[in-house]
Order: sequence, then structure tokens, then C-alpha cells
Amino acid sequence: DAGITQSPRHKVTETGTPVTLRCHQTENHRYMYWYRQDPGHGLRLIHYSYGVKDTDKGEVSDGYSVSRSKTEDFLLTLESATSSQTSVYFCAISSNSDSPLHFGNGTRLTVT
Amino acid sequence: AQTVTQSQPEMSVQEAETVTLSCTYDTSESDYYLFWYKQPPSRQMILVIRQEAYKQQNATENRFSVNFQKAAKSFSLKISDSQLGDAAMYFCAYRVYSGGGADGLTFGKGTHLIIQP
Repeated sequence: DAGITQSPRHKVTETGTPVTLRCHQTENHRYMYWYRQDPGHGLRLIHYSYGVKDTDKGEVSDGYSVSRSKTEDFLLTLESATSSQTSVYFCAISSNSDSPLHFGNGTRLTVT
Repeated sequence: AQTVTQSQPEMSVQEAETVTLSCTYDTSESDYYLFWYKQPPSRQMILVIRQEAYKQQNATENRFSVNFQKAAKSFSLKISDSQLGDAAMYFCAYRVYSGGGADGLTFGKGTHLIIQP
């Protein structure tokens, strides 16, 4: 299995509070991704990174920001959490543009 | 934009029988990759099978095989000799070949597969 660790595994937070989710990889892969999974929507891309300090927006990026200061870490931040951001968040990595994505075990975030 | 459609929200099959999950996609690209991922109740996303669009031969992985029809933009997954452990959500996904670009996967909404003992 690809070495991907997401933390925390579960989190409950209140509306309006900032939240940061962490993705850590030990594979030295160049590409990293954040997805959210919601019933009836499958997985949707939030942001992705193609190198240290190189990031771009995905399909559902509003309300989210990311940072990648090291190859192994990709952080997803909700500046002010809303109930619509209650979801399961997955991090994924890929060694190149031809490869499949390998996923972490997800973070379940509940915003009350 | 690319879209992936899985028209079967739920499928049920008897243990040891064969089941086919459907997937269609829309793209104007000629070079791309298609995948099936499995998500059991543990929530883990597991790669089941991969198909390169430039290959005419259908991919197979043990009991899992695909029927890839490029002209029809169809990519179905066949599971033979279904086992209880195959029960899961199955997602079809598409990735364009971007020559070094970072494009991720576009997913369908999933098919929930139930295995009847």
C-alpha cells in the first residue's frame, strides 16, 4: 500500500472555525490531490499540487485553500468552516500523469 | 469538461454469479486512462483495474475484467464468480493524458454492489 497518512481521522467542529487537514506521504510522489466525497456526488476534486509550492484549483475549490511547503505534506484549510463542508475528505498521490491515484483512508469532518 | 456516468446506483448479484457494472464517459480527448475503484465499508479506495485508451485489448485482473468500447465511450466492469468480499461501492474514473500535467481523476457517482449469499 502507498504510504499516505491523513490526520485527523475524524473531526467535529463548529461553524465559523478554521480547520486544517493534513496529508503526509512517504512515497516522494510529485502529485498530490484533495477530494471530497458526498452521497450522490462521488468524489470531487478540491485542489491539487504538482510540486512544492505549486498548487491549483479543482472543481469545488470555493472555501478551501491548500499549501505544500514540503514534498511529503499537503495541507487543506477551511478558513471558516460551514455546514456544507461536512464531508469525507480524501488525499491522493500520484507519481506521474500516467499513473493511477493512490488514496489515503480519508478524514470525516462534521461541521455543526 | 469530462464527465463520467454510472447509470446503476445499486446492483445485486448472487454469490458465485457474474455481474456487470456500467460506465460511460464523455471526452474530446484521444489519449486517456480509465479506472475502476472499489470502496468497501472501511472507506478505503482500492484500485481494481486500469485501461489505457490506446490499447484495444481489454484489461483483466483475476476475476475482474473490463469491456472497453472507445467509439461508444463505454467502460463496463465484469466481476466473475462474485464473492461476499466484493460487496462495496464501485467508482468508474477517467484521467486525461496530459503529458506531465497534474490533472486528477474525474469520478462517476458510484454503483453500490450487493452480494446475496
